[in-house]
Amino acid sequence: GAVVSQHPSRVICKSGTSVKIECRSLDFQATTMFWYRQFPKKSLMLMATSNEGSKATYEQGVEKDKFLINHASLTLSTLTVTSAHPEDSSFYICSASQPGRPNEQFFGPGTRLTVL
Amino acid sequence: KNQVEQSPQSLIILEGKNCTLQCNYTVSPFSNLRWYKQDTGRGPVSLTIMTFSENTKSNGRYTATLDADTKQSSLHITASQLSDSASYICVVRVSGGYNKLIFGAGTRLAVHP
Repeated sequence: GAVVSQHPSRVICKSGTSVKIECRSLDFQATTMFWYRQFPKKSLMLMATSNEGSKATYEQGVEKDKFLINHASLTLSTLTVTSAHPEDSSFYICSASQPGRPNEQFFGPGTRLTVL
Repeated sequence: KNQVEQSPQSLIILEGKNCTLQCNYTVSPFSNLRWYKQDTGRGPVSLTIMTFSENTKSNGRYTATLDADTKQSSLHITASQLSDSASYICVVRVSGGYNKLIFGAGTRLAVHP
């Protein structure tokens, strides 16, 4: 149980375009989802926390207008990278927690974004 | 400042050998500590979780220790296999708040035949 999926697993886009990444909890309802970014050989960095039905809470230094997060249902959160630039190229990972297990986060497999 | 530091940064061992990875943290207030395995291009997968009162916990060939007094943890891998090649990340959860996790940079382990 507690499986989290992400789609797509890899995406390549041109500079200036927008890219949407989906994060789904497959077998549980996720009241809270987290979005992380990971650069090569670096640790995961929390970008934002989203609760279903409310606005996301962004970490310091993360532009909310550039990284749009929508958590419209208890099983789906989306991250849209708007007007992507090459420096946005990174590995984006989501995680989800469920109401009965608030101390755990279940991670998705990640999405590799390459902006040309 | 809440920080998690891991050592070594990278490690190469031969198949069948044992190894120990280290994690030092300065996180307060402390809730729990997890070790994750992250294969290249994949999300982290939890190996062990330890709370303040636990000293050691095993999961197959993985054994984690925790010394809450010195704020140190270790992950010992026994009889390594080629599939153990991955990054191992130490993650400490901050008590209270909204499930705040502090990640270490990871140790990249390569197991060679």
